Amino acid sequence: QVQLQESGPGLVKPSQTLSLTCTVSGGSISSGTYFWNWIRQPAGKGLEWIGRMYTSGRSTYYNPSLKSRVTISVDTSKNQFSLTLTSVTAADTAVYYCARASYGSGTYYAFDIWGQGTMVTVSS
Amino acid sequence: QSALTQPPSASGSPGQSVTISCTGTSSDVGGYNYVSWYQQHPGKAPKLMIYEVTKRPSGVPDRFSGSKSGNTASLTVSGLQAEDEADYYCSSYGGSNNFVFGTGTKVTVL
Repeated sequence: QVQLQESGPGLVKPSQTLSLTCTVSGGSISSGTYFWNWIRQPAGKGLEWIGRMYTSGRSTYYNPSLKSRVTISVDTSKNQFSLTLTSVTAADTAVYYCARASYGSGTYYAFDIWGQGTMVTVSS
Repeated sequence: QSALTQPPSASGSPGQSVTISCTGTSSDVGGYNYVSWYQQHPGKAPKLMIYEVTKRPSGVPDRFSGSKSGNTASLTVSGLQAEDEADYYCSSYGGSNNFVFGTGTKVTVL
């Protein structure tokens, strides 16, 4: 079955750029009616949706509170999608998850498959 | 877009039922039937328990059920078991291509 795995630096300096990659295994990122998401969770706090991407047409949508700093992109040849967050501060310290959601059938508009999460700390 | 409001905690004894509320607005919970619920154990990724307000993914016990009335959605866990002790989050499509999560509820099995 489809599995997701996040990867990237665990430590980023303030004002720099956070970059993470989510590798999709067990299926093609381009097949089916899915969109691919990034979600984060500061320690001891709730979940925050960051944004999503459709591989068909490569449309992207972002949380308005982060929109000016976020970019989500896809590399279908590597079966990966990525998150870039610029000008980070300590408030961006969190566990970052990638997750799949469906828009065509099945678990419509729900995050049905998640990566294990990767901890990113913003500190000098 | 503001987070959906959930009670910080809920509890029940084994075998009892617990219901968690998730309150939003007519722009999210009340406006769409795209409310989902997630269970998260400490140090683990969230797990989808309910989608489209009332539907259960394959493998989720029928002890978990969802409903919605107006701007408030609810998750009920019947026949509480020790393994149900976890944090629970609701989520809703919020229109304008956005999603929003709830503040989270810690469920304790007494």
